[in-house]
Amino acid sequence: ETGVTQTPRHLVMGMTNKKSLKCEQHLGHNAMYWYKQSAKKPLELMFVYNFKEQTENNSVPSRFSPECPNSSHLFLHLHTLQPEDSALYLCASSQGTGLQVEQYFGPGTRLTVT
Amino acid sequence: GESVGLHLPTLSVQEGDNSIINCAYSNSASDYFIWYKQESGKGPQFIIDIRSNMDKRQGQRVTVLLNKTVKHLSLQIAATQPGDSAVYFCAERDQAGTALIFGKGTTLSVSS
Repeated sequence: ETGVTQTPRHLVMGMTNKKSLKCEQHLGHNAMYWYKQSAKKPLELMFVYNFKEQTENNSVPSRFSPECPNSSHLFLHLHTLQPEDSALYLCASSQGTGLQVEQYFGPGTRLTVT
Repeated sequence: GESVGLHLPTLSVQEGDNSIINCAYSNSASDYFIWYKQESGKGPQFIIDIRSNMDKRQGQRVTVLLNKTVKHLSLQIAATQPGDSAVYFCAERDQAGTALIFGKGTTLSVSS
């Protein structure tokens, strides 16, 4: 276990549904990240939070809405998604966002949009 | 644009062999490189990293080599074991960026 947990592990939702992904880190880190991992494509960074403040939004559509209430928790709120949004969504955390900090990943949420 | 890629999507080896996984990167300003391992049903796990001021770094059974001249990174796994079967990603970051830029991954299959 890496100290980063994600729930749910699997999620199937329709295009009109609203759902949320949750990430929690037990490592005392102050930075958290959302990544999208699609089949046969590299991991894509979506959002970065440092000390609860969003520091990076990598041109992510507004149907994905992140929330970081504290340094230990990160949410990804989903609404009116498209089938192409089906992917593995990975959360990561790190101690700071410096050049050499190691990011610890959770197991991911496998999302299927029908 | 910046991109990091791998030469081969799959690699199959016999248990006990040495494995070499390659990665090419395009951003000459990249200063830091990491190899990750992702097993089925799990998130990526850090293996080893290297700064651009180094050519080689060794860990336990793993060695990373960096050739800045041709912008090439490789991961060598000694005495490969079935437990090494996974997808391996290289990633890079430059001084200006927070984000890691990942390659597509190489699936390593180890047979007994």
